[in-house]
Amino acid sequence: AQSVTQLGSHVSVSEGALVLLRCNYSSSVPPYLFWYVQYPNQGLQLLLKYTTGATLVKGINGFEAEFKKSETSFHLTKPSAHMSDAAEYFCACHAGGTSYGKLTFGQGTILTVHP
Amino acid sequence: EAGVAQSPRYKIIEKRQSVAFWCNPISGHATLYWYQQILGQGPKLLIQFQNNGVVDDSQLPKDRFSAERLKGVDSTLKIQPAKLEDSAVYLCASSFTLQGNEKLFFGSGTQLSVL
Repeated sequence: AQSVTQLGSHVSVSEGALVLLRCNYSSSVPPYLFWYVQYPNQGLQLLLKYTTGATLVKGINGFEAEFKKSETSFHLTKPSAHMSDAAEYFCACHAGGTSYGKLTFGQGTILTVHP
Repeated sequence: EAGVAQSPRYKIIEKRQSVAFWCNPISGHATLYWYQQILGQGPKLLIQFQNNGVVDDSQLPKDRFSAERLKGVDSTLKIQPAKLEDSAVYLCASSFTLQGNEKLFFGSGTQLSVL
């Protein structure tokens, strides 16, 4: 069975500063990894995903994440935070194979951006 | 393209009452998911349908929760009787296929408060 741990339930940054949201996973097979974002009163939206191939994945809104197998990590970064990035971010893992579309989510990280 | 539709948006009931949630996925999406998101936690999969068949309901509390997708399109999730710990946001999601790298599209959810 797989699990996802997001380090830090709340992260606060200044506008223009680096955003780093941490995610570690546990999986017995090579996983597919996702980052979703949830704005208030909205559904989750896919930011980016890693399946196979290049370990540095670029997503929407300037976000990117790097899959590091040796560290079992998939941290989300953005070089310069914008006020509109304030939201809750979820890391998710899928084990592939017969797990079909079943995702295991982390507990979420709320990002606050200060002017 | 219309997104995943859910109703109602909010529901307040007393414990031991019954409640039902409705979801209409994106047109053409064969796979439909119901997730439960308790405050401060990531979404947890309750049940997954492929067309009108259940793929995974291992985490559905079957003594009180039931779900159906009779015609392979829209779906209803029911709780009877509700408990205080059922207070959560119930998210519906859909995807085109069962593939593990498939993007999930989420609805805005139904926020349930059980008093």
